Amino acid sequence: DAGVIQSPRHEVTEMGQEVTLRCKPISGHNSLFWYRQTMMRGLELLIYFNNNVPIDDSGMPEDRFSAKMPNASFSTLKIQPSEPRDSAVYFCASSFWQGANTEAFFGQGTRLTVV
Amino acid sequence: AQTVTQSQPEMSVQEAETVTLSCTYDTSENNYYLFWYKQPPSRQMILVIRQEAYKQQNATENRFSVNFQKAAKSFSLKISDSQLGDTAMYFCASSSYVSKAAGNKLTFGGGTRVLVKP
Repeated sequence: DAGVIQSPRHEVTEMGQEVTLRCKPISGHNSLFWYRQTMMRGLELLIYFNNNVPIDDSGMPEDRFSAKMPNASFSTLKIQPSEPRDSAVYFCASSFWQGANTEAFFGQGTRLTVV
Repeated sequence: AQTVTQSQPEMSVQEAETVTLSCTYDTSENNYYLFWYKQPPSRQMILVIRQEAYKQQNATENRFSVNFQKAAKSFSLKISDSQLGDTAMYFCASSSYVSKAAGNKLTFGGGTRVLVKP
C-alpha cells in the first residue's frame, strides 16, 4: 500500500482565496483524521470521521473551515476564505479501528502558506 | 475530554547518552492507549511505542522505553544510547475509545524537539 496520500505537498495562496487540501486514506481504513501543526499550538485535531461520518469537528477553528468525506477513499479540507493565520502544515491520518489500540498512519502533510 | 501536555519544548543529548521526555495526560476514560510518535525533519510521523492503560508493565521497543505511571497520569519516553537519527520532534498521544460508531479520538501533545549532538 502507498500509505496515506495527501495533495498538494505545498500550497501558496493569497489571502481571501479558497484552498482545498486532499487526502486519500489507506485502503480498508475506516477512520480519518485532519490535524493542523503550527509552532505555537503543536498538533491540533481539527476533525475526524468514522465510516465516512464526521464524529467530532470541535477543533475546526471557524466557519471558514469545512471538511468532507464523500466516500471511504477520499476526503477534503477546505478553507474559504483563507487568511495568513491559516498558514501551517495540515496532516491527514487514517486508521483501521480495533478499539483503543489503534495506530494512526499519517500522510506527508501539506504545507500551506497564505500571503 | 482528553488533554495531553508535554512540558519540555526542546531537549538536547550527546550521542550514546540517554534522554527522557515527559508527558502528562488527562482522560476520563478507562479504556485508553498512549503512544509516542516521532517526526523527523522529513515531516513523516512514525509510531515509536504504545502502551495499554490496563497493562502495568512498561512497554519497550529496542532503545525506546516508557515509564507509565497511571495514578499520576504520566507517560515518559526514555531514549537510550541516543543516535544522530533520533533527532526529531516527539509527540505524546492519547487514544480513547468513544463508541463503536464513533471509533477512537487521538489527541496529541505539543511536542518536544530532541537534538542529538555528535
